[in-house]
Amino acid sequence: QSVLTQPPSASGTPGQTVTISCYGSSSNIGSSSVNWYQQFPGTAPKLLIYGDHQRPSGVPGRFSASKSGTSASLAISGLPSEDEADYYCAAWDDSLNAFVFGSGTKVTVL
Amino acid sequence: QVQLQESGPGLVKPSETLSLTCTVSGASIRSYYWSWIRQPPGKGLEWIGYIYYSGSTGYNPSLKSRVTFSVDTSNNQLSLRLSSVTAADTAVYYCANGVVPTGSWGQGALVTVSS
Repeated sequence: QSVLTQPPSASGTPGQTVTISCYGSSSNIGSSSVNWYQQFPGTAPKLLIYGDHQRPSGVPGRFSASKSGTSASLAISGLPSEDEADYYCAAWDDSLNAFVFGSGTKVTVL
Repeated sequence: QVQLQESGPGLVKPSETLSLTCTVSGASIRSYYWSWIRQPPGKGLEWIGYIYYSGSTGYNPSLKSRVTFSVDTSNNQLSLRLSSVTAADTAVYYCANGVVPTGSWGQGALVTVSS
């Protein structure tokens, strides 16, 4: 059971905007910054977003993220087929004294 | 660019100790914190903990009693040891850059716990 809750799946047609939610609590999202990771099958995850909404160099602008209270969200706009992957939110949890990941959301491009 | 490569036995017997090495290239191991993360087949990610070359460590409380990290500065390598393994420890193990993974990741090493 993950501390951070994400929907198991999300989908959209090419060009649409897909939004993934991540629900936590005051001990994690509510008090720490959120990272988002993208993972393709058989490969290591890649940092997509850090510090709630910052994109590392090289991450396309179609990826955006926000946070409000104890929840966060990742949006992929102009969805291209190559963004079909698993997406994980993550944050430090002060109660657990550990970095925790969400359960992951599989994005499918229809 | 920092590159990481995990290595170690792919098969470990139950109750034994899992040992993995992560070789860092492109940067001195003294330059950053380093973390370990694992992912059971078909499941999500679990942060195992972090280490700094000075020996400073932080472990996930869920694994703290069984895990040990170390650093070999002369060979620019990190090591992970997980004792008393069970089938639940079967996973792909990753090393990464940062207390929490914010930079480069290794490609991962699959370790299967089975007799």
